[in-house]
Amino acid sequence: EDQVTQSPEALRLQEGESSSLNCSYTVSGLRGLFWYRQDPGKGPEFLFTLYSAGEEKEKERLKATLTKKESFLHITAPKPEDSATYLCAVQHLTGGGNKLTFGTGTQLKVEL
Amino acid sequence: GAVVSQHPSWVICKSGTSVKIECRSLDFQATTMFWYRQFPKQSLMLMATSNEGSKATYEQGVEKDKFLINHASLTLSTLTVTSAHPEDSSFYICSARAAGSYQETQYFGPGTRLLVL
Repeated sequence: EDQVTQSPEALRLQEGESSSLNCSYTVSGLRGLFWYRQDPGKGPEFLFTLYSAGEEKEKERLKATLTKKESFLHITAPKPEDSATYLCAVQHLTGGGNKLTFGTGTQLKVEL
Repeated sequence: GAVVSQHPSWVICKSGTSVKIECRSLDFQATTMFWYRQFPKQSLMLMATSNEGSKATYEQGVEKDKFLINHASLTLSTLTVTSAHPEDSSFYICSARAAGSYQETQYFGPGTRLLVL
């Protein structure tokens, strides 16, 4: 069965304390893996797309990496404004067309 | 670039009434738009895929007669919740994929909070 699992469910960091969020997937024929940031009461904001194992993308304090079974979102020296829920989604052949399957997200809180 | 808007941002209605939510791509044309529903502390659940000029494709378990979707142009899709009931209260989010783009990225709107009394 196609699945996307994110861990941890929640993460509390001190400002400047680097960490990683995990997204593991079991899908047939990955077409792309997407990371989004969602603030409370708002729609997801696009961060990265990764298409093949070994690929890496960076944006400010965030870096996304991809292997054949999982993706990591590394947060370097986070700030309180990085607090949000981070969602991972996969697009896969058996999903049909352009559909995305989302994980349940990691709720990140960065404290001073 | 890639801005998607939704209107209204929140709506309160009485049980039995219908509510229409608009989703617009502001700076790009979208051949495909998607409608999601999100319950508190849960992830996004796809309700339907909407292609411009054709009928929407609904996910299993989503009633097409209750959630009417129209995608009349490359920049506008609407979701109408017909005869709304309290259990339809949720956060509805649309997304759009750029026309003619080799990228598969979906860009999301800000969401519409629906409360049915």
